[in-house]
Amino acid sequence: GIQVEQSPPDLILQEGANSTLRCNFSDSVNNLQWFHQNPWGQLINLFYIPSGTKQNGRLSATTVATERYSLLYISSSQTTDSGVYFCAVERNYGGSQGNLIFGKGTKLSVKP
Amino acid sequence: KAGVTQTPRYLIKTRGQQVTLSCSPISGHRSVSWYQQTPGQGLQFLFEYFSETQRNKGNFPGRFSGRQFSNSRSEMNVSTLELGDSALYLCASSPGTAINEKLFFGSGTQLSVL
Repeated sequence: GIQVEQSPPDLILQEGANSTLRCNFSDSVNNLQWFHQNPWGQLINLFYIPSGTKQNGRLSATTVATERYSLLYISSSQTTDSGVYFCAVERNYGGSQGNLIFGKGTKLSVKP
Repeated sequence: KAGVTQTPRYLIKTRGQQVTLSCSPISGHRSVSWYQQTPGQGLQFLFEYFSETQRNKGNFPGRFSGRQFSNSRSEMNVSTLELGDSALYLCASSPGTAINEKLFFGSGTQLSVL
């Protein structure tokens, strides 16, 4: 099956620093999403980005589908950015969906 | 618009019992999928329902089952609980009408099996 690898596994930042999280995937995908899981377990959808670049405030993401990777940029980090960031990809089952394959995540800790 | 609602938030059961978890999707969403999250295996897909039909299933034993009602609410059931079933169970919803859509997750049900 498809493999999703995220790096780094852990990241500690000082508040205000910038960071780049990477997601590599082993096969062609039709869908890629980035999530942030907060300390209470809630998964928040950050980006739906199968290709191209998107920005939302201090966060931006770029997916290069032909090279099978995606990057999540966090600028001017805040303590509320702490949590685990997941990359998830989806294969097309001919109409079925919802079967996201998740990476192991990057655990981010932002220190004040 | 209300988000995805999962109940209960926490659940404690003993081995051999069965459990039912509930998920109410975002209004208008017809696809509901379920995921299991454990420290060892991470997030794994259980199954997906659309218009009361299971469209996709992950690699879990038959003890794990689900259903979807006509109002798109979904339940999942785990019978004959094992210690290894202790996990955070997450439900996600999407409109379900396109091949690739953004998923929206609930807060999850934390199940502990003693």
